[in-house]
Amino acid sequence: RKEVEQDPGPFNVPEGATVAFNCTYSNSASQSFFWYRQDCRKEPKLLMSVYSSGNEDGRFTAQLNRASQYISLLIRDSKLSDSATYLCVVNPYNFNKFYFGSGTKLNVKP
Amino acid sequence: DVKVTQSSRYLVKRTGEKVFLECVQDMDHENMFWYRQDPGLGLRLIYFSYDVKMKEKGDIPEGYSVSREKKERFSLILESASTNQTSMYLCASRGGAEQYFGPGTRLTVT
Repeated sequence: RKEVEQDPGPFNVPEGATVAFNCTYSNSASQSFFWYRQDCRKEPKLLMSVYSSGNEDGRFTAQLNRASQYISLLIRDSKLSDSATYLCVVNPYNFNKFYFGSGTKLNVKP
Repeated sequence: DVKVTQSSRYLVKRTGEKVFLECVQDMDHENMFWYRQDPGLGLRLIYFSYDVKMKEKGDIPEGYSVSREKKERFSLILESASTNQTSMYLCASRGGAEQYFGPGTRLTVT
């Protein structure tokens, strides 16, 4: 079983739409959670960390559900520039071992 | 701004060749990582290093070795390249919880 699973998509949405992605993780002892963004042919970059109480950064909201072992990312008022692949990242117990999901592709259309 | 650089963006090697991939970071980070990224599999950790001359195996170390002689430089070595090592290789360094990635090296082994 994979440590981290994501729906690969693609999610095709119009500009201005709200879109949400989920990611499930298998290790209940996981400590830290992140969303990274990866543009086509580029390296991943940190979008936001995910805190237990949930957190928001502008149009982006991340939430953690420990009981069901998933994290989510909500994007409001989608922009064309949000088109990218979103990677879910989980750190189980060793702060040097990060498990990456295979990513969810988002296409925002005009 | 953290900068992580990798020696090559594209590399083509023949089966059986010894291959060196180099990574340099400029932020004095102690922790550095090598991943490979394949479609549908996400990023998988090959090796990481938490200090000069210190290294630990990741999830897929077979066929690879690493070297960290200086804090800023972390090298990945393919002792005898094989076609199943054709992939995108990403180096990262970690500052706090965030990982900073280099631009990647797309290696093709023919």
